[in-house]
Amino acid sequence: QKEVEQNSGPLSVPEGAIASLNCTYSDRGSQSFFWYRQYSGKSPELIMSIYSNGDKEDGRFTAQLNKASQYVSLLIRDSQPSDSATYLCAAPNAGNNRKLIWGLGTSLAVNP
Amino acid sequence: DTGVSQNPRHKITKRGQNVTFRCDPISEHNRLYWYRQTLGQGPEFLTYFQNEAQLEKSRLLSDRFSAERPKGSFSTLEIQRTEQGDSAMYLCASSLEVQAFFGQGTRLTVV
Repeated sequence: QKEVEQNSGPLSVPEGAIASLNCTYSDRGSQSFFWYRQYSGKSPELIMSIYSNGDKEDGRFTAQLNKASQYVSLLIRDSQPSDSATYLCAAPNAGNNRKLIWGLGTSLAVNP
Repeated sequence: DTGVSQNPRHKITKRGQNVTFRCDPISEHNRLYWYRQTLGQGPEFLTYFQNEAQLEKSRLLSDRFSAERPKGSFSTLEIQRTEQGDSAMYLCASSLEVQAFFGQGTRLTVV
C-alpha cells in the first residue's frame, strides 16, 4: 500500500516566523511531489511542486526533497495570518493514471 | 477564467434522489480526475479519464456512481439513489502530465 504521511497538527506559529511542514512517503519509485494549500471549505490549490533532490524556492515558500530518506518538506518564511490553512502533501501513483496519493494534511495556524 | 470549473458549487438533495455534477477541465488537459473529500481527510480518488476513456474506477465506488467524459472534454459524475454517507465535497482535477489543478468543488449535502 503506497502511503503519504503527514503530521496532522495543528501547527501554530507566530506571524513572521518560519513554518515547517513535513511529509514522508513509502513508494521509493515516486519521482514528483506536490504541496497543496486548502482553505476551509475550499478546494486544494497547488502551491509547490518538486522533482529533484534538494531545495526549490518560490517566493516565501521552499520545498525540500530527500529521496534517500523519502522525505519532503515545505518551509514558509515570514508566515502571515493568510497562510493559515491545511497543507496537503501529494505524490502521483507510479502507474500510468498518475492519480495522486494524499497525506491527511497539516493544519497551520499563524497567529498575529 | 481558464481554470477548472465545476457546477453546481452546492447541492442539497433528499435521500434517494439522483444528482449530477459537471466538470469543465482546462482545455488542453487530457487527464481528468474525480475525487471525494470529507472533513479532516485528504481527497479520495474516485475515477480517472484520459481523453474520453475511463481508465480507472475506485473499488470504493459503488454501482450507484457513474462518470462520463464524452468527446474528451467536460465530464459528469452522477450519483443515483443518494445516501447520507454520500455527503462530501466532490472535486474535479485536470492535468496534462503530473501537475493536477482542481476546480472549486461541488459540496453535496444529502438530507
